[in-house]
Amino acid sequence: EAQVTQNPRYLITVTGKKLTVTCSQNMNHEYMSWYRQDPGLGLRQIYYSMNVEVTDKGDVPEGYKVSRKEKRNFPLILESPSPNQTSLYFCASSFDGYSNQPQHFGDGTRLSIL
Amino acid sequence: GDSVTQMEGPVTLSEEAFLTINCTYTATGYPSLFWYVQYPGEGLQLLLKATKADDKGSNKGFEATYRKETTSFHLEKGSVQVSDSAVYFCALSETGGGNKLTFGTGTQLKVEL
Repeated sequence: EAQVTQNPRYLITVTGKKLTVTCSQNMNHEYMSWYRQDPGLGLRQIYYSMNVEVTDKGDVPEGYKVSRKEKRNFPLILESPSPNQTSLYFCASSFDGYSNQPQHFGDGTRLSIL
Repeated sequence: GDSVTQMEGPVTLSEEAFLTINCTYTATGYPSLFWYVQYPGEGLQLLLKATKADDKGSNKGFEATYRKETTSFHLEKGSVQVSDSAVYFCALSETGGGNKLTFGTGTQLKVEL
């Protein structure tokens, strides 16, 4: 089954404690992206990757890092989380980053930073 | 920059009622337009899309027409069901924009018996 898998689904942690949210897709997609969803703001892009070793900032990249060492994985790293990063996070992938193909989304990771 | 404006929710309807969720957009180029649906506890799923002016996207009884003259992509369904209760997001993606989706704020739909 084609899917985007995120882990963990839920996490409560404290300010400053580094965390990583993993994302893996099994569709051999070139393009992957991270979004955060906040009430009244919809989804906003954090970072994206056009292919292995190619990443770039989205609209709200501050406080986040990403890496793309393998095609299937695109982890989101919060080096020093702060309460304003409490949000619902979605990873997404699509065939490529050029043809406006629909994106496939994971089920989300709800982060609470205390 | 690009933006998408959706009607605020929640929208509450009785089963078999007609649904319209308004969506208008601002874009510098010729975007592709999408409606995504989010069921409780799940990620977003593509509902329908349209890639050029006057295209009509349709799926599961939902329809939306790409209107360039009014920069709109309103979602409609003739007869909603309780199972359609979800949050609906209108989104656009600019050609050459790195496939970034710009989303509206979402509209929650509640359908009651």
